[in-house]
Amino acid sequence: AQSVTQLDSQVPVFEEAPVELRCNYSSSVSVYLFWYVQYPNQGLQLLLKYLSGSTLVKGINGFEAEFNKSQTSFHLRKPSVHISDTAEYFCAVRGGGFKTIFGAGTRLFVKA
Amino acid sequence: DTAVSQTPKYLVTQMGNDKSIKCEQNLGHDTMYWYKQDSKKFLKIMFSYNNKELIINETVPNRFSPKSPDKAHLNLHINSLELGDSAVYFCASSRSQGMSETQYFGPGTRLLVL
Repeated sequence: AQSVTQLDSQVPVFEEAPVELRCNYSSSVSVYLFWYVQYPNQGLQLLLKYLSGSTLVKGINGFEAEFNKSQTSFHLRKPSVHISDTAEYFCAVRGGGFKTIFGAGTRLFVKA
Repeated sequence: DTAVSQTPKYLVTQMGNDKSIKCEQNLGHDTMYWYKQDSKKFLKIMFSYNNKELIINETVPNRFSPKSPDKAHLNLHINSLELGDSAVYFCASSRSQGMSETQYFGPGTRLLVL
């Protein structure tokens, strides 16, 4: 079975500052890892995903994430955030079976 | 063109009523899902269909019954609604049931049971 832990429920940050949203996972098999973003009153959309190969994955809107197998982490980063990045961010894992397991979400709040 | 659409967007109803939520995708995908998102934003899979066959059936009350008339549609019927059913229900689809596939989500149906 897989599980996902998002270590911060809320992350407030000033506009143009860097941000890191932390995600740890647990699995006994190889996994695929995803970050989804949910803007207010909308469905989720994919930011990026790690399947294999390079451990640094680049996604949309300037986000990137690094897969660290030894630390079982998949942290999301952005060097400079905008007000429009305010949203809920979900880390997700899939490995074996048909289910995608989502973390509890991290609310990123960007302040002017 | 909306890739994954849900109707209705909002649903307010009384306890004990029966209601349905419809989902349609125009992406040509063969796998569809229903998720429930609670008030704390926790997202949990309820059901998944691949080519109209049920492949995920999580531990949900049997008051919830999904139906997939074809690959492009997945509906959710809820009998005898309870207060605890209040949540946002998301439909999603993916190209296949493969583990690396991206899921595309609809805008959600906000259900409030009074």
